[in-house]
Amino acid sequence: GENVEQHPSTLSVQEGDSAVIKCTYSDSASNYFPWYKQELGKRPQLIIDIRSNVGEKKDQRIAVTLNKTAKHFSLHITETQPEDSAVYFCAASTHNTDKLIFGTGTRLQVFP
Amino acid sequence: DSGVTQTPKHLITATGQRVTLRCSPRSGDLSVYWYQQSLDQGLQFLIHYYNGEERAKGNILERFSAQQFPDLHSELNLSSLELGDSALYFCASSVEGQNYNEQFFGPGTRLTVL
Repeated sequence: GENVEQHPSTLSVQEGDSAVIKCTYSDSASNYFPWYKQELGKRPQLIIDIRSNVGEKKDQRIAVTLNKTAKHFSLHITETQPEDSAVYFCAASTHNTDKLIFGTGTRLQVFP
Repeated sequence: DSGVTQTPKHLITATGQRVTLRCSPRSGDLSVYWYQQSLDQGLQFLIHYYNGEERAKGNILERFSAQQFPDLHSELNLSSLELGDSALYFCASSVEGQNYNEQFFGPGTRLTVL
């Protein structure tokens, strides 16, 4: 069935360093890959997304890359700040199902 | 604030009981999605409604049901509750039913089954 694997489950970095979170999806028909940030006790919020016709997308300190052949996509956060500390979820969906299949989440801690 | 509202915020009930969770989507959004977030399972898709009709189903238990009303609000009904149903239940809404439309999440309902 559809599955999204996410690694690592926890990530600790020093402020200013980069953080990379990786996901692998199983359904080759997946064509939309959003990333959500969830702060403690709050709702998930979309931070960036990418469609399958694009290999990379950037938004200030955040970038997402997609390798359709390998069915991998990654989130890159540069110049991390303490307020980046949260749980990050990757997800994948296909155009004919509308549902988001989420990864298991990565708890990112940025130490000042 | 995403514009999606959910009530109640917290719900504590006993095993075997039935509860109803309510979601009001953002103004203008036609799609409502329900997700379950538990510690060991992450965010699990339950069901999607678009303009009153069921569009997609995830691994939703037969004890759970949902509907979307003409005013586009949605309710998730959970019956014969078990301890394992304790979780955070989110609804999300999007403008249309396209999978690439951003989903806006509500604040969630925390269900505790004792």
